[in-house]
Amino acid sequence: DAMVIQNPRYQVTQFGKPVTLSCSQTLNHNVMYWYQQKSSQAPKLLFHYYDKDFNNEADTPDNFQSRRPNTSFCFLDIRSPGLGDAAMYLCATSNRGTRRVAFFGQGTRLTVV
Amino acid sequence: AQSVSQHNHHVILSEAASLELGCNYSYGGTVNLFWYVQYPGQHLQLLLKYFSGDPLVKGIKGFEAEFIKSKFSFNLRKPSVQWSDTAEYFCAVTLGSGGYQKVTFGIGTKLQVIP
Repeated sequence: DAMVIQNPRYQVTQFGKPVTLSCSQTLNHNVMYWYQQKSSQAPKLLFHYYDKDFNNEADTPDNFQSRRPNTSFCFLDIRSPGLGDAAMYLCATSNRGTRRVAFFGQGTRLTVV
Repeated sequence: AQSVSQHNHHVILSEAASLELGCNYSYGGTVNLFWYVQYPGQHLQLLLKYFSGDPLVKGIKGFEAEFIKSKFSFNLRKPSVQWSDTAEYFCAVTLGSGGYQKVTFGIGTKLQVIP
């Protein structure tokens, strides 16, 4: 049973056209993360939500935004996608506690044309 | 900031061969260590984890890893690989035991097992 669901699995967008990726979870976890993974590179954390508190990584471009309307859903908005934003975007969740394991969705592969 | 190094980016083995994937991290404090696996077309899944205690950790599907603090290492091993082990393997680390814990990943190792 899928616990972290990302939609769509594949997204093609035009250069400069805003795009939104979505993530939902059935685990009721407090923390939701967005990672960007480019080919042959490690997943890179963009930001995370701890409940409603948004935490941006220092080197995440302003072009990337996120929304978390409720516990179950989190969105990644790319305001003006560039060719360099083509990547796999991974959503993950983890729960409150002293040591947490992250659960990942299947990812959305974004292509910018 | 912590970092994770995986030395083998692409490994090709025949079935029944033994596997060892190297992972080193850079951080002098308390760490939590993980190996994640990503099978083709699937999501990242936890293979095993180390928080504390016995440094030899056993995971799913016959995998194990050994935490060697003095070497800052957490190498993944399997005595006899199968074709179904073909996947990408990521070593990861979080720091400490409280508060927000950012997962830092290594670059990944692609394992190809030849029947």
